[in-house]
Amino acid sequence: LAKTTQPISMDSYEGQEVNITCSHNNIATNDYITWYQQFPSQGPRFIIQGYKTKVTNEVASLFIPADRKSSTLSLPRVSLSDTAVYYCLVAPRALNNAGNMLTFGGGTRLMVKP
Amino acid sequence: SAVISQKPSRDICQRGTSLTIQCQVDSQVTMMFWYRQQPGQSLTLIATANQGSEATYESGFVIDKFPISRPNLTFSTLTVSNMSPEDSSIYLCSVIGEIAKNIQYFGAGTRLSVL
Repeated sequence: LAKTTQPISMDSYEGQEVNITCSHNNIATNDYITWYQQFPSQGPRFIIQGYKTKVTNEVASLFIPADRKSSTLSLPRVSLSDTAVYYCLVAPRALNNAGNMLTFGGGTRLMVKP
Repeated sequence: SAVISQKPSRDICQRGTSLTIQCQVDSQVTMMFWYRQQPGQSLTLIATANQGSEATYESGFVIDKFPISRPNLTFSTLTVSNMSPEDSSIYLCSVIGEIAKNIQYFGAGTRLSVL
């Protein structure tokens, strides 16, 4: 299983760009990197997924270096509503039926201040 | 995407009793998962529930304590049996929306308090 390591917490201010890095040194060839956002009293919500280089959607960008041993979630111009816990998850796209590759790391608690 | 409804949203239970949590999905899905999340902590996978087969439990979780049903492709239940205060937690179900993309969609969770 590819274990992930993230900073426990980060603080930012409204309007700033926030970059959250996740380390996954033993990522496997067929693993994808998926990021989730979780607000209090809600289940995690999918943000972005990537395999290599850069992926961008309407919410965030995901940067993955060539060795894929880490990834960086970039949130442009954060607002107070981006205060949440962010998890990176490394797992193959095609899960076996056991789903035993779904190991969430500790997550990063982002606090956006006015 | 998939929309998931979990019931109940919260409950307070007495020690020694059992609670069954329901998870309803708005589309047919192959893989459903049950997680536990202690307050302020990350998610821990309890088991995988596939329709037509026994659930697969992760290390530290057993069927006698957390029996799971999966009667069809849109529904599953998780029962927390013979509860103790240590079972107080948030229980979440999730599904894989598109089997080839490994993107999970989660319910809002069930907040369980055991007295």
